Amino acid sequence: AQSVTQLGSHVSVSEGALVLLRCNYSSSVPPYLFWYVQYPNQGLQLLLKYTSAATLVKGINGFEAEFKKSETSFHLTKPSAHMSDAAEYFCAVSRNTPLVFGKGTRLSVIA
Amino acid sequence: NAGVTQTPKFRILKIGQSMTLQCAQDMNHNYMYWYRQDPGMGLKLIYYSVGAGITDKGEVPNGYNVSRSTTEDFPLRLELAAPSQTSVYFCAIRGGGDSPLHFGNGTRLTVT
Repeated sequence: AQSVTQLGSHVSVSEGALVLLRCNYSSSVPPYLFWYVQYPNQGLQLLLKYTSAATLVKGINGFEAEFKKSETSFHLTKPSAHMSDAAEYFCAVSRNTPLVFGKGTRLSVIA
Repeated sequence: NAGVTQTPKFRILKIGQSMTLQCAQDMNHNYMYWYRQDPGMGLKLIYYSVGAGITDKGEVPNGYNVSRSTTEDFPLRLELAAPSQTSVYFCAIRGGGDSPLHFGNGTRLTVT
């Protein structure tokens, strides 16, 4: 079975500060990993994905994530937060199965 | 190219009523999914389909039914609505292999 744990249901950062959203996964097979973003009253949009190529994955809007097998982690980072980054972020895992999502982390950006 | 279209956007049901949430896609993907989203709980898989005529249960299928008679459509049926089914429902599609999910904009359902 596959599962995802997102550490911290709410993260608050100042505008211009580093964004770090944590995701740890459990999978009995090499996983595919995804980060999605959800803005209010909208569906989920793909930020980036890892599918066993480069371990450092770059996504849209300046976000990136690094796959660390030894730590079973796939943390999402952005060097400098913008007000427009305020949203809910979901990590998900899959490998030949439907995606399993974490519970989400709400990111607030303070001016 | 709309991708995934969900209707209606909002609905209020009384306990015991029934309704169908519609999901249509124009990307010719085989894989279609229904998730529900509740605050602080992430997304839970209700049902999914790997192609026309094939459906399977997800993590939380009780109280729901689906059908997949065509590649394009994947309706979700609630037969006897209960307050526990108050949620936001998302339909999603996926191509094969490592392709990501592509989501609709959701249906917000309230059962009172």
